[in-house]
Amino acid sequence: GDSVTQMEGPVTLSEEAFLTINCTYTATGYPSLFWYVQYPGEGLQLLLKATKADDKGSNKGFEATYRKETTSFHLEKGSVQVSDSAVYFCALIENTNAGKSTFGDGTTLTVKP
Amino acid sequence: GAGVSQTPSNKVTEKGKYVELRCDPISGHTALYWYRQSLGQGPEFLIYFQGTGAADDSGLPNDRFFAVRPEGSVSTLKIQRTERGDSAVYLCASSLSSGRGNEQFFGPGTRLTVL
Repeated sequence: GDSVTQMEGPVTLSEEAFLTINCTYTATGYPSLFWYVQYPGEGLQLLLKATKADDKGSNKGFEATYRKETTSFHLEKGSVQVSDSAVYFCALIENTNAGKSTFGDGTTLTVKP
Repeated sequence: GAGVSQTPSNKVTEKGKYVELRCDPISGHTALYWYRQSLGQGPEFLIYFQGTGAADDSGLPNDRFFAVRPEGSVSTLKIQRTERGDSAVYLCASSLSSGRGNEQFFGPGTRLTVL
């Protein structure tokens, strides 16, 4: 079955540091890929997505590129802020079952001033 | 506009009891999804509806779990004979339609605790 594996956390960085959160996936078909973010006390919200190979999703300074050859969708940000502290989830939706999202276990990011 | 709402926000029940969890999707969204999230894990798919019908219920763990969406809007997740292992946050999401590129909008969740 489908699966998503995320870099284990927690991750602690200083403000303005570079962020990478690794995400790799296993899928039988050709999935769409997503990063969701959950800020403290809030619900899950979509951060960015990519629907085909080599697409780059971007939002709020975060980027991720759909790499089919390495089955990866790593999240990056050049300079993190304290307000980026949250839990980040990588997810996929298969093209063969468009209603079902498969999520990774989440990576907790803490950014210190 | 209003987002996805879920009620109650917290539910504490005793082992063996019956519970109902409600989800109000964003108006006009035809697809509705239920997930379960245990502490330290990502959301786990339970079921999704396209309109009134359950298009995929493969994630329901057993026959104690059932969900309905009779009018294609509000959905209720029903759990019979609750067990301590059912304790989790139950998330609902909706999207304009089902589809691999469609964004799912999540509600705040219902935290279920089974004593």
